[in-house]
Amino acid sequence: GAVVSQHPSRVICKSGTSVKIECRSLDFQATTMFWYRQFPKKSLMLMATSNEGSKATYEQGVEKDKFLINHASLTLSTLTVTSAHPEDSSFYICSARNRATDTQYFGPGTRLTVL
Amino acid sequence: QKEVEQNSGPLSVPEGAIASLNCTYSDRGSQSFFWYRQYSGKSPELIMFIYSNGDKEDGRFTAQLNKASQYVSLLIRDSQPSDSATYLCAARRGDNFNKFYFGSGTKLNVKP
Repeated sequence: GAVVSQHPSRVICKSGTSVKIECRSLDFQATTMFWYRQFPKKSLMLMATSNEGSKATYEQGVEKDKFLINHASLTLSTLTVTSAHPEDSSFYICSARNRATDTQYFGPGTRLTVL
Repeated sequence: QKEVEQNSGPLSVPEGAIASLNCTYSDRGSQSFFWYRQYSGKSPELIMFIYSNGDKEDGRFTAQLNKASQYVSLLIRDSQPSDSATYLCAARRGDNFNKFYFGSGTKLNVKP
């Protein structure tokens, strides 16, 4: 299957700092990438849809100034959690849509802990 | 009403049995359907996708789609303890290729 990578896999940061998470599609071009967060034992929550070369579309209730998304190339999207707080601690997962197979593939996720 | 509904489970089956996971969707515009497996602490992994009514088999997995009844199912034959995970069903609209709806998942326990 298609490969999507995420970096870092785990990050611990102090409250007030910003954290950038990278999502890369390694073997296909992804015009669309998605960012999710997931709390323990809860379902995936879509945060935003990222389209290459344009602004991201955020889901209701997600602060776009808090979660900055950039999708500058067909293989890379980044999520920056600005001024992180303990309540931002979560499992953040990106996915990329492979247009050729019309399928969404997930990255391995980034576990963020804000102290 | 959620776009995609799944029973949260847990569904418990003995090793070697057939596990049957079900999913219903509300949007008749949905055209593509996906099953993902998610182990605890890991991200979802694609198992299968299905577009047409009927059955689609891949190894021990069979996806079934009935568009008239708006349900999708996943059968796992010869269930193994390693199949124990949460299974997510997803649907995608035909007129918006970027709009995927995920169910909340069904937890499967395969007992040795």
